[in-house]
Amino acid sequence: SQKIEQNSEALNIQEGKTATLTCNYTNYSPAYLQWYRQDPGRGPVFLLLIRENEKEKRKERLKVTFDTTLKQSLFHITASQPADSATYLCALVNNAGNMLTFGGGTRLMVKP
Amino acid sequence: ETGVTQTPRHLVMGMTNKKSLKCEQHLGHNAMYWYKQSAKKPLELMFVYSLEERVENNSVPSRFSPECPNSSHLFLHLHTLQPEDSALYLCASSQDHGMGQGLQPQHFGDGTRLSIL
Repeated sequence: SQKIEQNSEALNIQEGKTATLTCNYTNYSPAYLQWYRQDPGRGPVFLLLIRENEKEKRKERLKVTFDTTLKQSLFHITASQPADSATYLCALVNNAGNMLTFGGGTRLMVKP
Repeated sequence: ETGVTQTPRHLVMGMTNKKSLKCEQHLGHNAMYWYKQSAKKPLELMFVYSLEERVENNSVPSRFSPECPNSSHLFLHLHTLQPEDSALYLCASSQDHGMGQGLQPQHFGDGTRLSIL
């Protein structure tokens, strides 16, 4: 069966450090992968999209990698700030191409 | 107004009630979605309206009924719900260019928190 796995345990890091979040998937052949941020009581907010032929994508302090051999995407936040504290979700299109499926998300806590 | 607006933000209803959730998008998108988010579970896609076609997750019970009268408005009609239907219901929209859902970002509302007594 198709699975998207994100670490369900919260990631606690110190302000200024780099946060790295992992998204692993099985039985998918996604052409694209998306990352979203969700704050408590709010809907997810789109951050980045990376295509299968892109190894890396950057946006300000954010960097996403996509390894289709390992079936893994890594999401990095450099110089992290307490305001980066949120839940981060990865999402893939299913093999039929008609549904976007989300992982369970990883909660990031950045301590001052 | 901009973005995706959902009403009401909170809803408490009994199992025998009938209610509707409303979503409106002001982004000019042509695709709209309903998701269910339960505690400690991933976002679950319920329904998609895109390019005048409806796609649904076959696991969604018939007590949930979507309606999309135009590209800017989406409703979720609820009747005889169960306690396990208590969750955050999120609406989203995107611009579908006919190349599938994964290429375009989805813009979400802040959801309706539904509690079934």
